[in-house]
Amino acid sequence: DTGVSQDPRHKITKRGQNVTFRCDPISEHNRLYWYRQTLGQGPEFLTYFQNEAQLEKSRLLSDRFSAERPKGSFSTLEIQRTEQGDSAMYLCASRPDQSGYTDTQYFGPGTRLTVL
Amino acid sequence: AQTVTQSQPEMSVQEAETVTLSCTYDTSESDYYLFWYKQPPSRQMILVIRQEAYKQQNATENRFSVNFQKAAKSFSLKISDSQLGDAAMYFCAYRSGSDSNYQLIWGAGTKLIIKP
Repeated sequence: DTGVSQDPRHKITKRGQNVTFRCDPISEHNRLYWYRQTLGQGPEFLTYFQNEAQLEKSRLLSDRFSAERPKGSFSTLEIQRTEQGDSAMYLCASRPDQSGYTDTQYFGPGTRLTVL
Repeated sequence: AQTVTQSQPEMSVQEAETVTLSCTYDTSESDYYLFWYKQPPSRQMILVIRQEAYKQQNATENRFSVNFQKAAKSFSLKISDSQLGDAAMYFCAYRSGSDSNYQLIWGAGTKLIIKP
């Protein structure tokens, strides 16, 4: 079990640039979540996939944000025309498709984005 | 809408002693789940303990236990025999039993400092 991985771990970009983050969930997990976490706060839900289908998207997510999970495995989160307010830790989590204790979400290490 | 409140931004405890972290939540639902997650510095979020609202018995996991007071909507975490490795941000989270997407609602977190 290699766990959830995210790439890159850190990204520094200039305002107005586009960035893309990748998340590789645990292989048998078909549910995948993206969160944003700012300093001193808990994670905020961004979007959710079941396999390749994006089932829910937060109202916090502006049109500059888009997420995909093309083959139901890895996922990408793209932010276009980045703004300084986008600076945050972006977390990915996955879980299997059963109920019970397996509703636990397993988190990746996150991608820390800094927009200058 | 459900909310989760952690009123202690920071707590400190002497190594080997016991500490209790507070969490309150607001919901009109009767079916829900509560979680404590731990986020060590620069490491990923991991589940500490989970409680089903329909269970009266408080969950325990080794040195970690909860005091679940459903009527008071309180869900505190007790850490016994604190160890240096317990130093982390601790987040309380809520999940509705009727949410098929298993979305988590998070508190702002409590930073736990362990004094050697």
